[in-house]
Amino acid sequence: DTAVSQTPKYLVTQMGNDKSIKCEQNLGHDTMYWYKQDSKKFLKIMFSYNNKELIINETVPNRFSPKSPDKAHLNLHINSLELGDSAVYFCASSQDESGHKETQYFGPGTRLLVL
Amino acid sequence: GDSVTQMEGPVTLSEEAFLTINCTYTATGYPSLFWYVQYPGEGLQLLLKATKADDKGSNKGFEATYRKETTSFHLEKGSVQVSDSAVYFCALNSGAGSYQLTFGKGTKLSVIP
Repeated sequence: DTAVSQTPKYLVTQMGNDKSIKCEQNLGHDTMYWYKQDSKKFLKIMFSYNNKELIINETVPNRFSPKSPDKAHLNLHINSLELGDSAVYFCASSQDESGHKETQYFGPGTRLLVL
Repeated sequence: GDSVTQMEGPVTLSEEAFLTINCTYTATGYPSLFWYVQYPGEGLQLLLKATKADDKGSNKGFEATYRKETTSFHLEKGSVQVSDSAVYFCALNSGAGSYQLTFGKGTKLSVIP
């Protein structure tokens, strides 16, 4: 079974649309993340979330919002899509053991193309 | 703030050549260090990690040693294979109240037969 899964794998949409990307982890982890990978392969954290707090990277536009229906899911909702949002989005999860930030496990990525 | 600097790519090697990808970092506290690998069209996979100074992480013939004195975590492999062609990312987690991984810009490795 896939540990961290994302849907859809590919997403092609028009500017101005609203879309969501879903992420699920079956590892029992308590922290989940969203990363953005640009065309040059550079990876940047967008959000980290556990049942206690949401930490937002201040450079992320407020058109992006994470939504967590439960501990195993962290979905990414994007309003009013722009051309510059085209990228690969990765979900990840980890288990915080006594304050140690353990290994993050990544999903396969969602390739978003905004036309 | 935290940062990771990797050697610029792309790197092209012949099969069975020796590989070194340099990685240096700046961080607060005592970070954990990681190498992730991204094969074409796939997500990131953890390759190896080290959580304290002088630890050596190893996996699939790859090794990296946590050097606090030089703030480095260079990735090495004695004999690369075509199947090692991928993008390699060095990353750290400073652990000081931070949940995020800070990544280097990635180094693309191509191994030719």
